[in-house]
Amino acid sequence: NAGVTQTPKFRVLKTGQSMTLLCAQDMNHEYMYWYRQDPGMGLRLIHYSVGEGTTAKGEVPDGYNVSRLKKQNFLLGLESAAPSQTSVYFCASAPRWRGSSYEQYFGPGTRLTVT
Amino acid sequence: AQKITQTQPGMFVQEKEAVTLDCTYDTSDQSYGLFWYKQPSSGEMIFLIYQGSYDEQNATEGRYSLNFQKARKSANLVISASQLGDSAMYFCAMREGRGYGGSQGNLIFGKGTKLSVKP
Repeated sequence: NAGVTQTPKFRVLKTGQSMTLLCAQDMNHEYMYWYRQDPGMGLRLIHYSVGEGTTAKGEVPDGYNVSRLKKQNFLLGLESAAPSQTSVYFCASAPRWRGSSYEQYFGPGTRLTVT
Repeated sequence: AQKITQTQPGMFVQEKEAVTLDCTYDTSDQSYGLFWYKQPSSGEMIFLIYQGSYDEQNATEGRYSLNFQKARKSANLVISASQLGDSAMYFCAMREGRGYGGSQGNLIFGKGTKLSVKP
């Protein structure tokens, strides 16, 4: 049981390049999230998904796209990377509400640098 | 709009002493949940403790307890008997609503408090 995994762990891009970050979870969770973490800013929600085939915008969605074609995977895409997208990206997943504590389970993070 | 405020960017505590990390929140919802996560220098996010808005007793998990004062909208984390391994960033987060659906299940995070435990 690997939990939430993210690929890659590190990446350096040049301005204008594109890339896709992959998040996978093996806990059969319905909900998945992408966050970015910047120094002094905490975690901010980029996009999220409440089920296979559905996605929605979070707090800071501009410059990113997502897809959830399979329940266990949530992809985050950068079509044209900008230096402002240099950040640490976290994926998280959570089960459907169970009427009690239902924390989000986080992946290890991807450190992205855009030069 | 919901908001989480952590006013202590950094804190020091002596090993074996207790420490309180402050968290205040703002919400107009009657039903919400409050979470604390730990982020060590290795970077992973570790769930510590949860408090529901209707829970009458303060949550406790081992050395962690949550001092929940609903009227003051505060949810402070108390770590008893600090250990060197407690040195990390600590994030308070809030989720509005009774369940997931639309944006109800999304977490809003504070900016964090960096705790350093001195030997």
